[in-house]
Amino acid sequence: AQSVTQLGSHVSVSEGALVLLRCNYSSSVPPYLFWYVQYPNQGLQLLLKYTSAATLVKGINGFEAEFKKSETSFHLTKPSAHMSDAAEYFCAVNGNEKLTFGTGTRLTIIP
Amino acid sequence: DAGVIQSPRHEVTEMGQEVTLRCKPISGHDYLFWYRQTMMRGLELLIYFNNNVPIDDSGMPEDRFSAKMPNASFSTLKIQPSEPRDSAVYFCASSSNPSPREQFFGPGTRLTVL
Repeated sequence: AQSVTQLGSHVSVSEGALVLLRCNYSSSVPPYLFWYVQYPNQGLQLLLKYTSAATLVKGINGFEAEFKKSETSFHLTKPSAHMSDAAEYFCAVNGNEKLTFGTGTRLTIIP
Repeated sequence: DAGVIQSPRHEVTEMGQEVTLRCKPISGHDYLFWYRQTMMRGLELLIYFNNNVPIDDSGMPEDRFSAKMPNASFSTLKIQPSEPRDSAVYFCASSSNPSPREQFFGPGTRLTVL
């Protein structure tokens, strides 16, 4: 069975600082991995996805994630945080027909 | 494409009443998922369909919950009778073959049971 663990339910960074949101996965087969973002009072929106084509994946809004098999990680980064990045972020792994989501990380941006 | 459409966006009802939530998936998608999101339990998968057939309903909390998908463009999630602990945001999502089957989420229905 597949699972993901998001380290840190809340992360705060200053505007302009590096954003790092952590995700570790467990999978018995080569995984497909996703990051979703949820802005207040909205549904989940796909940020980026890993499908084995490249280990460094670029997504929307300047975010990227790197798949590291040796560390079973898929951490999300952004070089410079903007106020508009304040949201909840979910890591997910594809298990056959359905996705298994992490518990989410709420990102707060400090002006 | 219009994306996944859910209605209503907000629903306030009294305990004991029947509640019906509606979802229209993206055209051509053959998978449909219903999720519930609460502060306490996070995002929970309730049930999902493939080609209008329920595949896994193990996440449905109890018999008060039921879901149907009469055709490829419409699904309902019904709660009867509703209870205050059902208050949550309910999301519908759809996806299609082939893998990796990323899911596209609707805006959600915020349900409040008084």
